Amino acid sequence: DSGVTQTPKHLITATGQRVTLRCSPRSGDLSVYWYQQSLDQGLQFLIQYYNGEERAKGNILERFSAQQFPDLHSELNLSSLELGDSALYFCASSVIPLGNTIYFGEGSWLTVV
Amino acid sequence: QKEVEQDPGPLSVPEGAIVSLNCTYSNSAFQYFMWYRQYSRKGPELLMYTYSSGNKEDGRFTAQVDKSSKYISLFIRDSQPSDSATYLCAMSPIIQGAQKLVFGQGTRLTINP
Repeated sequence: DSGVTQTPKHLITATGQRVTLRCSPRSGDLSVYWYQQSLDQGLQFLIQYYNGEERAKGNILERFSAQQFPDLHSELNLSSLELGDSALYFCASSVIPLGNTIYFGEGSWLTVV
Repeated sequence: QKEVEQDPGPLSVPEGAIVSLNCTYSNSAFQYFMWYRQYSRKGPELLMYTYSSGNKEDGRFTAQVDKSSKYISLFIRDSQPSDSATYLCAMSPIIQGAQKLVFGQGTRLTINP
């Protein structure tokens, strides 16, 4: 158990809908990362927050947004969902923004039908 | 061309064998190099982390980085059935105040008893 908690573990929703994935980082970690893992694209970096501030952005779609709250938990919002958004979404955390010891959660498995 | 190339395998070896996993990369800005292990439908687990070139050993695992050749390796000695998993290489440049890991596709490894 990495200490990073993600909910929900599984989610099935229809195209065009909106979902929110939630992440609680490890105790003491200030930086949160979101990654998407699909069969064809592999594990892709989406976005990083540090202590509430956005620090880096990857190939995150405009339909996706994220934030980190004052209690350090983070949410990833996915809207206008398409079939191609079906993937495993991972949250990870580290103590500092340059932390090379990045711990991943168990992921949220999203299926869009 | 992908920034990080990793042979997806699958790779199947007998118990006790030495396993060699490799990645090549094209971005000379990469300075941090990691190996993650991922069991099916679980989050990636950090195995080894190396900064810049050189070797690092941890128990049965040895990580090597050759920046001149843009090539990294992970060796597993005395492989065990419990080592069966997908192994992902990951790397990152130095970015002020941020961390964007770029992952390989992962190599699926099976250790046969």
